[in-house]
Amino acid sequence: LAKTTQPISMDSYEGQEVNITCSHNNIATNDYITWYQQFPSQGPRFIIQGYKTKVTNEVASLFIPADRKSSTLSLPRVSLSDTAVYYCLVVRRDTGRRALTFGSGTRLQVQP
Amino acid sequence: DGGITQSPKYLFRKEGQNVTLSCEQNLNHDAMYWYRQDPGQGLRLIYYSQIVNDFQKGDIAEGYSVSREKKESFPLTVTSAQKNPTAFYLCASSRRSGDQPQHFGDGTRLSIL
Repeated sequence: LAKTTQPISMDSYEGQEVNITCSHNNIATNDYITWYQQFPSQGPRFIIQGYKTKVTNEVASLFIPADRKSSTLSLPRVSLSDTAVYYCLVVRRDTGRRALTFGSGTRLQVQP
Repeated sequence: DGGITQSPKYLFRKEGQNVTLSCEQNLNHDAMYWYRQDPGQGLRLIYYSQIVNDFQKGDIAEGYSVSREKKESFPLTVTSAQKNPTAFYLCASSRRSGDQPQHFGDGTRLSIL
């Protein structure tokens, strides 16, 4: 599976838009990009998934350029409650194992 | 509401003792997973099960065992062979065996006495 690289930490202020970029240079044709959010002492929560271009849901947007070697998770107007660790994963669509191994993620700290 | 229930929330193990972590889901999901998370790190896969009565080793299965006798239950046993069991353990599920984990429990924190 493609290895992902994302910043270890980011800081922001309430009301700002936050963009977290993840690089996955070795992504394969049948791989999807998925983002999870994790709060302390809780399990990760699925945020968004995409294959190419742009995906938007009620929580975030995911931008994927044409070459798919990177992706950007965009959180509009963050609040203090968005302080969490965000994981970028590349998930292969195949008939075999789909279980995931998570990297260290990006620790987002939102200040008042 | 449907979801995943892990119990207990905190667990202490004595040296040489086996302990079992419970994971129950009422989502009617086919696949279930166990992950281990160490402080400041991501999740590592221990075992996963795509269907009842079937399970596969993940990246760090040594010292652990699982069973999947019922669709809704996937208990994890941390055996005495696991020399460094102190960690945060997370159970997850997905609707179909080909899907990625969609729901996670709130975890069990295991410590050694």
